[in-house]
Amino acid sequence: DGGITQSPKYLFRKEGQNVTLSCEQNLNHDAMYWYRQDPGQGLRLIYYSQIVNDFQKGDIAEGYSVSREKKESFPLTVTSAQKNPTAFYLCASSSMGPPYEQYFGPGTRLTVT
Amino acid sequence: AQSVTQLGSHVSVSEGALVLLRCNYSSSVPPYLFWYVQYPNQGLQLLLKYTTGATLVKGINGFEAEFKKSETSFHLTKPSAHMSDAAEYFCAVSDKRAGTALIFGKGTTLSVSS
Repeated sequence: DGGITQSPKYLFRKEGQNVTLSCEQNLNHDAMYWYRQDPGQGLRLIYYSQIVNDFQKGDIAEGYSVSREKKESFPLTVTSAQKNPTAFYLCASSSMGPPYEQYFGPGTRLTVT
Repeated sequence: AQSVTQLGSHVSVSEGALVLLRCNYSSSVPPYLFWYVQYPNQGLQLLLKYTTGATLVKGINGFEAEFKKSETSFHLTKPSAHMSDAAEYFCAVSDKRAGTALIFGKGTTLSVSS
């Protein structure tokens, strides 16, 4: 079955530690996205990539980093510079042709204490 | 810049009642429009989409939405709510001029009571 996988489902870290969230897709999509979700704030775009080895900042990129070494993979690193990292993180992918509908993974809930 | 407004962060209905979730967008160019549903601690699932053509779009789980260009709206409806419809719903728009990025509304939580 084609789809997007995110691992792990739940992640716990101590403050000051970097943590990497995994996102893999087998939909053959060129574009991939990372969103952060907080209660009452909807989805906020962190980073997106439309081609291997290239990515763009979204609305809230500070404190995050990404890489896109393979078409199928788009890992997100939450660095110690991110002031409020506790959140639900969603990965998505889409084709480069219209209408650009995005397909989402199951999400990773990160808790930093 | 493109924006999406979902009126009402919470909507409560009784089982069997009509569901109406409102979405308005701002764009001078008719965009592509989407509704997604999210159950607790899960990712988003596409309910339906409008691209071109027929303005009344049918989706999964008995939901439908109507694109009204004159009102810049894309409201989501379901004639009879079921307990399993309780979830968070997101309206999203794709700006044809901006490539692949979607703009999401802040979401509406639907509660269904028996």
